[in-house]
Amino acid sequence: SQKIEQNSEALNIQEGKTATLTCNYTNYSPAYLQWYRQDPGRGPVFLLLIRENEKEKRKERLKVTFDTTLKQSLFHITASQPADSATYLCALDIQAGTALIFGKGTTLSVSS
Amino acid sequence: NAGVTQTPKFQVLKTGQSMTLQCAQDMNHNSMYWYRQDPGMGLRLIYYSASEGTTDKGEVPNGYNVSRLNKREFSLRLESAAPSQTSVYFCASRGLRHNGQKTQYFGPGTRLLVL
Repeated sequence: SQKIEQNSEALNIQEGKTATLTCNYTNYSPAYLQWYRQDPGRGPVFLLLIRENEKEKRKERLKVTFDTTLKQSLFHITASQPADSATYLCALDIQAGTALIFGKGTTLSVSS
Repeated sequence: NAGVTQTPKFQVLKTGQSMTLQCAQDMNHNSMYWYRQDPGMGLRLIYYSASEGTTDKGEVPNGYNVSRLNKREFSLRLESAAPSQTSVYFCASRGLRHNGQKTQYFGPGTRLLVL
């Protein structure tokens, strides 16, 4: 069956460290992979998108990698801050016009 | 721009009651979506509309109906609510960002409790 998995439900790290979140998928060939942030009681907000022919994408302290051979994306937050505490969702973009397929999310807690 | 708006924010229903969740977007997007989010289940697609006049079932459509009223509005109806429909419902639309990437924009959600 088709699956998308985020490696852990929760990740706790100390301020200043790099957080690394993992998204694995099976039986898909996505054209794009997207990462969203969701704060409690709010809707998800888009962060980054990476195409299948891109290895890496950066935006300020965020970095996303995409390995279509391993069927895996890694999401890094460098120099993490307590304000980065949230749930992060990865989403596969399979086909234009259809909906994104979301993972269940990883809840990141950054302690000071 | 208000983005994606949803009404109501909260709702409590009794089993068997009906209600309609409203969603509107002001970004001129063609595609709109309804998701439900439950603890441990992530976001699951209920229905989507790729363009005005079309709707398609998603992963969990049973117990729901939708109407794409016009390009701006996409409503979700529960005809006979059940406790299993207690959830947070998100509406989303999809369109181009300034850099040409197509991403989804989400509303703030409707929290529904069915007793």
